[in-house]
Amino acid sequence: NAGVTQTPKFQVLKTGQSMTLQCAQDMNHEYMSWYRQDPGMGLRLIHYSVGAGITDQGEVPNGYNVSRSTTEDFPLRLLSAAPSQTSVYFCASRRDTYNEQFFGPGTRLTVL
Amino acid sequence: DQQVKQNSPSLSVQEGRISILNCDYTNSMFDYFLWYKKYPAEGPTFLISISSIKDKNEDGRFTVFLNKSAKHLSLHIVPSQPGDSAVYFCAASTNTNAGKSTFGDGTTLTVKP
Repeated sequence: NAGVTQTPKFQVLKTGQSMTLQCAQDMNHEYMSWYRQDPGMGLRLIHYSVGAGITDQGEVPNGYNVSRSTTEDFPLRLLSAAPSQTSVYFCASRRDTYNEQFFGPGTRLTVL
Repeated sequence: DQQVKQNSPSLSVQEGRISILNCDYTNSMFDYFLWYKKYPAEGPTFLISISSIKDKNEDGRFTVFLNKSAKHLSLHIVPSQPGDSAVYFCAASTNTNAGKSTFGDGTTLTVKP
């Protein structure tokens, strides 16, 4: 099993550009989440999904969209990048409510 | 309002000694707690968890203690090894909120040889 994979590893954007961060898992997990981690801070939840076709907002959803058309994939879209979105983004999945999360390796995004 | 707090940003211990990492929470609805370890340039990895019906869970060198009345949990690592040097995150979740996890800001542990 590859676990949770994320692409790209690094990305530099200009203000106003849009892009999609890809996330995929091969563990058949129903729950998937996107987090951002800023320096000296913990992980803050952006969006999450409890199954294909079901998504909801987390703590910091503004400026981001998600969709979950399949169990495996959970892409995160930045609609119009801003410098405040410079961060490291982690995707995670878990089997159900009371299980640990499996994290991807992260995408380091810089917005100029 | 930060619901999960790790008040010590860093901790340094000598190899072989005990490391104690602390975590406090404010939401009494939290009923499942987890610790994750994170190395630089990698994603967090799960370490150990505890349900609110227990007060202790042990896995090898790692033990988590939960004090519900104080809304406090701690992670004990005995004996500490240089490879344990990492950032440790405490997380809490509640079944009433689709199990969404709330994370603390992390504690950087350095184990000196």
